[in-house]
Amino acid sequence: DAKTTQPPSMDCAEGRAANLPCNHSTISGNEYVYWYRQIHSQGPQYIIHGLKNNETNEMASLIITEDRKSSTLILPHATLRDTAVYYCIVRRQTSYDKVIFGPGTSLSVIP
Amino acid sequence: SAVISQKPSRDICQRGTSLTIQCQVDSQVTMMFWYRQQPGQSLTLIATANQGSEATYESGFVIDKFPISRPNLTFSTLTVSNMSPEDSSIYLCSVAPGQAKNIQYFGAGTRLSVL
Repeated sequence: DAKTTQPPSMDCAEGRAANLPCNHSTISGNEYVYWYRQIHSQGPQYIIHGLKNNETNEMASLIITEDRKSSTLILPHATLRDTAVYYCIVRRQTSYDKVIFGPGTSLSVIP
Repeated sequence: SAVISQKPSRDICQRGTSLTIQCQVDSQVTMMFWYRQQPGQSLTLIATANQGSEATYESGFVIDKFPISRPNLTFSTLTVSNMSPEDSSIYLCSVAPGQAKNIQYFGAGTRLSVL
């Protein structure tokens, strides 16, 4: 499995965009970038994923660089409820490819 | 999507005893996974459990310590055997329904404290 590198922690002002970076320089051509988050005392929650095109859903946007070696998760208007640990994971889009977690980024949204 | 129920949600156990954690899913799934999250740490995969076959354990985890059952496509159990305080963790069940996006869903976890 390709490995990812994320900053251990970040702060973001409430109402501002939160931009969470992830480096995955060894990603393979058939591996997707998945983002999950874990709010305190809950199980991880899927946010978004993509292969090479930028993606957007109701929760966030995912920007993947053209060389696919890095990506950024964007929470457009962060709220206090977005305070969580965010995990960037690379894996194939198949049920046989389990999710392997790194340390993630602890995002604190500040009032 | 998939809704996962884990029981118990938390427990306090004495060292040397065993605890069986149950995971129930609201739909049939092929792949089920068990994770451990030690205090202040990220999640670590213990094993993958497929119905009808033996569980596949990750490096550092053995069947004698963490036996897993998978009797059908909606249910699995993880037993933490001969517990010590080092086993105090959150244990999470996860499933991959195998739909197009291949999203893996997680239960809320079982918070285990061993005295």
